[in-house]
Amino acid sequence: QSVLTQPPSVSAAPGQKVTISCSGSSSNIGNNYISWYQQLPGTAPKLLIYDNNKRPSGIPDRFSGSKSGTSATLGITGLQTGDEADYHCGAWDSSLSGVVFGGGTKLTVL
Amino acid sequence: EVQLVESGGGLVQPGGSLRLSCAASGFTFSSLWMSWIRQAPGKGLEWVASIKEDGSEKYYVDSVKGRFTISRDNAKNSLYLQMNSLRVEDTAVYYCTRMRPPQYFDYWGQGTLVTVSS
Repeated sequence: QSVLTQPPSVSAAPGQKVTISCSGSSSNIGNNYISWYQQLPGTAPKLLIYDNNKRPSGIPDRFSGSKSGTSATLGITGLQTGDEADYHCGAWDSSLSGVVFGGGTKLTVL
Repeated sequence: EVQLVESGGGLVQPGGSLRLSCAASGFTFSSLWMSWIRQAPGKGLEWVASIKEDGSEKYYVDSVKGRFTISRDNAKNSLYLQMNSLRVEDTAVYYCTRMRPPQYFDYWGQGTLVTVSS
């Protein structure tokens, strides 16, 4: 069972917007930065968002991150079939002295 | 171009040992923290261990403490994970990652599969 909680799956139509939630506690999301990773089928994860809402070079602005209290949200606008992937959230946990992840959310673009 | 290439995975019996290696290139390896992250089949990501630039600090997830050892050789631009007393639940793809402490991983290798089974 993962320390951070994500919905197992979300879906939306091409061109639409989707949000993926990540819920934690004061020892992780509440007092530390969150990051998001995209894992396309059969490939390694790729950094999508870091420090709550920053995008690495090369990541389109269709992807955004936000945080409020002990929860965080990944937003994807203008959905494309190529966005179908698993999305993982991660954060440092001060109580565990380690990085914790959510269980991952599978995005289906219908 | 940053590249991380893992090797050393394979099939091992419970109680056995395995040593994973990661060859890094395209950046100043000795200036950055490095980590191992694993993913069991069909499951989410699990952080395993991290090591400071000079190897002076190491951190592990509780489930591998006392069994796994992370190390690095900055002269060879290489990261290692020595895994002893392996258990069935250690079966996973193990990823070598570049870490931006304390919380995110900006480059990942392609992963190496470790299967623990009798």
